[in-house]
Amino acid sequence: AQKVTQAQTEISVVEKEDVTLDCVYETRDTTYYLFWYKQPPSGELVFLIRRNSFDEQNEISGRYSWNFQKSTSSFNFTITASQVVDSAVYFCALSEANQAGTALIFGKGTTLSVSS
Amino acid sequence: EAQVTQNPRYLITVTGKKLTVTCSQNMNHEYMSWYRQDPGLGLRQIYYSMNVEVTDKGDVPEGYKVSRKEKRNFPLILESPSPNQTSLYFCASSLYPRSSYNEQFFGPGTRLTVL
Repeated sequence: AQKVTQAQTEISVVEKEDVTLDCVYETRDTTYYLFWYKQPPSGELVFLIRRNSFDEQNEISGRYSWNFQKSTSSFNFTITASQVVDSAVYFCALSEANQAGTALIFGKGTTLSVSS
Repeated sequence: EAQVTQNPRYLITVTGKKLTVTCSQNMNHEYMSWYRQDPGLGLRQIYYSMNVEVTDKGDVPEGYKVSRKEKRNFPLILESPSPNQTSLYFCASSLYPRSSYNEQFFGPGTRLTVL
């Protein structure tokens, strides 16, 4: 069965520190998609990135980077030089190509607190 | 502006009093879905709809109903709310129902408290 595990419930860092949020997934499908969402204190869900199972290229977007490794079923998210505005709950999610309803299977989230 | 809207954003009600949370999208998306978010559990899908008049259960459908009479609207109905339905609810939509690649656009959320 499909599953997403975010083992880190809460992480606290000081501004300018680098931080990595871990995401491990389980799926039997060969075609699937991985996502990261950010939920700031205001509550909305902000889409950050999508990666399909055939594209293991790492991606960098400003201070954000993602490391996708199929061999370890992981899709980790790193924030470089963290800022207070990065404080939020971050969700990793999985969607399988053959799954009816195209539901997103979410991890339980990692709460990141960045202090100044 | 392309968006998913939900109303109300906040609601406090009492056990057993029927309520409806509306969801509307202006992107002509075929697929719509409802999720609930609870502390420590992440988001879980309640119901989804592949298109008008086509709805199906997600992972946690008990105590909820939905309808999809128009493409843009997907209301969530709680016929007899109970305290365990206190949660943060999100509506989402995406362009194609059978493409998991599509990004799901989320509404702003509805915080429901059932006393």
